Amino acid sequence: GAVVSQHPSWVICKSGTSVKIECRSLDFQATTMFWYRQFPKQSLMLMATSNEGSKATYEQGVEKDKFLINHASLTLSTLTVTSAHPEDSSFYICSLDLNTEAFFGQGTRLTVV
Amino acid sequence: GENVEQHPSTLSVQEGDSAVIKCTYSDSASNYFPWYKQELGKRPQLIIDIRSNVGEKKDQRIAVTLNKTAKHFSLHITETQPEDSAVYFCAASKGAGTASKLTFGTGTRLQVTL
Repeated sequence: GAVVSQHPSWVICKSGTSVKIECRSLDFQATTMFWYRQFPKQSLMLMATSNEGSKATYEQGVEKDKFLINHASLTLSTLTVTSAHPEDSSFYICSLDLNTEAFFGQGTRLTVV
Repeated sequence: GENVEQHPSTLSVQEGDSAVIKCTYSDSASNYFPWYKQELGKRPQLIIDIRSNVGEKKDQRIAVTLNKTAKHFSLHITETQPEDSAVYFCAASKGAGTASKLTFGTGTRLQVTL
């Protein structure tokens, strides 16, 4: 299966600052990656589809100016949470497809204080 | 868009008993239905999946059934063990190229007691 590496695994930041999360495909080129958010004791919700070389596609209700996605290479997609607030505290996780199966990164626990 | 409902939200069984979790989906175009086990703070772990051209699939103690007509699918775990305790999510997608574009159910917290 695919190896997906996500960093950092956890981050604490002050309210109003920005945080960048990286998602790397280590063993194959991914033209599409997906970003999910999971609040405590809740399900995973798709935030956006990251497309290499083009703009990301955001799900309804997700602010594209707040959650900046960059997929500049076939092995790296980044999610930047801008002007983070405590309500953005969540578990963020990326995924990609290989042979019609989803592979997930380790996830990033973001805490905004 | 797709909507996936999952029941029950919590399930407690004794070790050795069976556990069944049920999901329904709304979009008839969905054709890939994975089940994930997630431990606290970890990534979802695929435990079994089924595609719409198959009605049932089994892997040791775990089985999944799919009823396309009724748009529901179920996870069956037999001979449960304490290490099966976790949160389980069903999901649906439209398959190839979008397997990761998943709509998840709300999750079931399974507790296996001794």
